[in-house]
Amino acid sequence: SQTIHQWPATLVQPVGSPLSLECTVEGTSNPNLYWYRQAAGRGLQLLFYSVGIGQISSEVPQNLSASRPQDRQFILSSKKLLLSDSGFYLCAWSWWENTGELFFGEGSRLTVL
Amino acid sequence: GEDVEQSLFLSVREGDSSVINCTYTDSSSTYLYWYKQEPGAGLQLLTYIFSNMDMKQDQRLTVLLNKKDKHLSLRIADTQTGDSAIYFCAEGEAGNMLTFGGGTRLMVKP
Repeated sequence: SQTIHQWPATLVQPVGSPLSLECTVEGTSNPNLYWYRQAAGRGLQLLFYSVGIGQISSEVPQNLSASRPQDRQFILSSKKLLLSDSGFYLCAWSWWENTGELFFGEGSRLTVL
Repeated sequence: GEDVEQSLFLSVREGDSSVINCTYTDSSSTYLYWYKQEPGAGLQLLTYIFSNMDMKQDQRLTVLLNKKDKHLSLRIADTQTGDSAIYFCAEGEAGNMLTFGGGTRLMVKP
């Protein structure tokens, strides 16, 4: 069976510090990978998606970047965090051949102080 | 661009039925989804419906699709306190990006 893990689950960081959130998928090959952000009281915003190693598409201009160094690893980064980067970050994966359903990780709550 | 809209809150009493509504704008959507997010957790797929269907029933869940009006609803029969969560509507095509609504927070009162 397929599983998705992301970490850390909770993170408190000062403004201007770097960020690295990691996500790995097990049990499947060549998944599509996604990073979403869920700001407090709001819906999901797609930040990045990747259809393969080294292939990253960005949906919105922002202070964040993403990388996919391996097939089943997706990393969300920032060199200098802003207060507005606070939120709940969700990694997800999907198959191309299936219904388009997304499988989500448990999320990482980032608080920037 | 595509847009998916939902009301923010719904409050029901335990044992009543809940109906969560969603409207979307992309007429080329192939699939429409309902996801559930419990507090502090990721999203889990509850159910989905093909765009050529009008209704889908799965135990306590009934999904109704009015493609003409681009309206999707999720009915939860005999709502329980464990159903309290945020419910997201989403639309998309297989293998493509999903567009999510803002989520409806369902609060179930005992």
